[in-house]
Amino acid sequence: DGGITQSPKYLFRKEGQNVTLSCEQNLNHDAMYWYRQDPGQGLRLIYYSQIVNDFQKGDIAEGYSVSREKKESFPLTVTSAQKNPTAFYLCASSIYPVGTGSSDTQYFGPGTRLTVL
Amino acid sequence: AQRVTQPEKLLSVFKGAPVELKCNYSYSGSPELFWYVQYSRQRLQLLLRHISRESIKGFTADLNKGETSFHLKKPFAQEEDSAMYYCALSGRLSNTGKLIFGQGTTLQVKP
Repeated sequence: DGGITQSPKYLFRKEGQNVTLSCEQNLNHDAMYWYRQDPGQGLRLIYYSQIVNDFQKGDIAEGYSVSREKKESFPLTVTSAQKNPTAFYLCASSIYPVGTGSSDTQYFGPGTRLTVL
Repeated sequence: AQRVTQPEKLLSVFKGAPVELKCNYSYSGSPELFWYVQYSRQRLQLLLRHISRESIKGFTADLNKGETSFHLKKPFAQEEDSAMYYCALSGRLSNTGKLIFGQGTTLQVKP
């Protein structure tokens, strides 16, 4: 289970603060993803990255930022601009066969539960 | 627009009964469909994908392009099947690797 890790497991934030969620993988995967999981809404894509030093907005990127300086790391910052940040955040990674347009299995981390106080 | 719909939030069956978790999708191109499962206190993980055409833990799913459906079926439910199930879609020609997830269905198998 150690292929993709997230920390911390639980995170508490005061309103107006930025917080950063960590995601690391040792699977040598090119692609990494951040999702938000809310009850009744499934998983919604926040940001994704297909290659180092490149990332794209997902469906709900407002109030979030990411970086991809290393292949194995894809940290997510939840900024004070995010109106409703309390949620369960999941990071995932996959092999990305560039040029085929095909998807491969996404491997998920254990998640971080963020609560705004 | 690309969309995945799972109409049931909760599906409750007795052990040994057949199970069908519904999934409908909307996609104009050629989709790849997946079922992911999240057991209690475990990570979300892939259960099966339509291109593999295999049965995993007794579950099967057939892509029906005419009905735009990818329902997950098992003839005899077991208590250990209780979990949250997500249907997901990826566009083959979208060249992004992104997945679009449905809202999820909680399967509860009663003894």
